[in-house]
Amino acid sequence: QSALTQPPSASGSPGQSVTISCTGTSSDVGGYNFVSWYQQHPGKAPKRMIYEVSKRPSGVPDRFSGSKSGNTASLTVSGLQAEDEADYYCSSYAGSNTWVFGGGTKLTVL
Amino acid sequence: QVQLVQSGAEVKKPGASVKVSCKASGYTFTSYGITWVRQAPGQGLEWMGWISAYSGNTNYAQKLQGRVTMTTDTSTSTAYMELRSLRSDDTAVYYCARVDWHAFDIWGQGTMVTVSS
Repeated sequence: QSALTQPPSASGSPGQSVTISCTGTSSDVGGYNFVSWYQQHPGKAPKRMIYEVSKRPSGVPDRFSGSKSGNTASLTVSGLQAEDEADYYCSSYAGSNTWVFGGGTKLTVL
Repeated sequence: QVQLVQSGAEVKKPGASVKVSCKASGYTFTSYGITWVRQAPGQGLEWMGWISAYSGNTNYAQKLQGRVTMTTDTSTSTAYMELRSLRSDDTAVYYCARVDWHAFDIWGQGTMVTVSS
């Protein structure tokens, strides 16, 4: 149960797009279409932003999108806004009712 | 509305146990699983385990096997996480979350557990 690999930081100016990667193995990211992404502001509980690789829950702006290729999933935030500045975590189902998280990426809006 | 409300902060000595509760409301408790996630200060999220609120079946992260027990009380729609033989590196915010088809859609507010002598 090794953690998924995310870049520790990412940044972009308002209005720009930024993509955060999440690399796992064939036992987790590559093996299931059950990658989800969570946004966490300081001192707050995480919030689900993307599930099943690319689905957006009701209320999440369509500026947030997800994709996957092989063992790597990605979260893209388009039209960056100040309120998008937060920590982002990917998670993948890993079989037998187990899950694994990525190490997290701190997104800075310049 | 659908929500999970967790118990309050705890301070424990090394070697002690802690039991955190997570009370669900606004949905049919037994229709979803509950997962527990922790976050040490300044660190990332760590998946701890899962329990089916329907059957009581559990699955725990390997590193916590033998120290953690997750249970549910369907009469009160409450999930519990007990962690034993506490160490300083167990100091963290502990979250419960509802499992909706392999993602965690509703989160509790978090419970700070501090382990200190």
